[in-house]
Amino acid sequence: AQKVTQAQTEISVVEKEDVTLDCVYETRDTTYYLFWYKQPPSGELVFLIRRNSFDEQNEISGRYSWNFQKSTSSFNFTITASQVVDSAVYFCALSERMDTGRRALTFGSGTRLQVQP
Amino acid sequence: KAGVTQTPRYLIKTRGQQVTLSCSPISGHRSVSWYQQTPGQGLQFLFEYFSETQRNKGNFPGRFSGRQFSNSRSEMNVSTLELGDSALYLCASSLGQGQIGYTDTQYFGPGTRLTVL
Repeated sequence: AQKVTQAQTEISVVEKEDVTLDCVYETRDTTYYLFWYKQPPSGELVFLIRRNSFDEQNEISGRYSWNFQKSTSSFNFTITASQVVDSAVYFCALSERMDTGRRALTFGSGTRLQVQP
Repeated sequence: KAGVTQTPRYLIKTRGQQVTLSCSPISGHRSVSWYQQTPGQGLQFLFEYFSETQRNKGNFPGRFSGRQFSNSRSEMNVSTLELGDSALYLCASSLGQGQIGYTDTQYFGPGTRLTVL
């Protein structure tokens, strides 16, 4: 079975610190898709990034960066110079092939990030 | 573009009742997926609708059903409610096009928080 592990349940940092959220996945698919979502207290899942398995190029978007390593099945997320507004629960997700052949998202358990002022 | 909208935002029901939740996708999106989020089980895929047809389904009992209308709006129904159905129900929309095995990005609504007493 495919699954996603986010070993860090909760992380607390002080504003302006850098923080890395870990994500390890398992899959037998040769082609797959990985995602990161942010869930603020309001409850809505906010899309952050989508990565195809055949594209291992790391990505940077402002203070956010992602490190995708197929060799270790990891897709880690780093926030540079964290801010209080970054406080949220962050989910890593893997697109899982179902019996229908179509895919659905399998989510990790999430990492709660608290940024203290 | 307006985002995904879900109504109602909050619901309180009693055991044995049934409930209907509504989701309006982003304009132009034809796929709607539903997820259940609970503290114990996390985020789990319920089903996906595309062009008024269910084309993917998660591992939930038949009490959970849905439908999609010609304007891509979707409803989810839960019959004979149980205490364990208390959860945040999230709807996500995507373009939905692409060959089987492909995953496009899903954009989530704010969710409906259902409490079963």
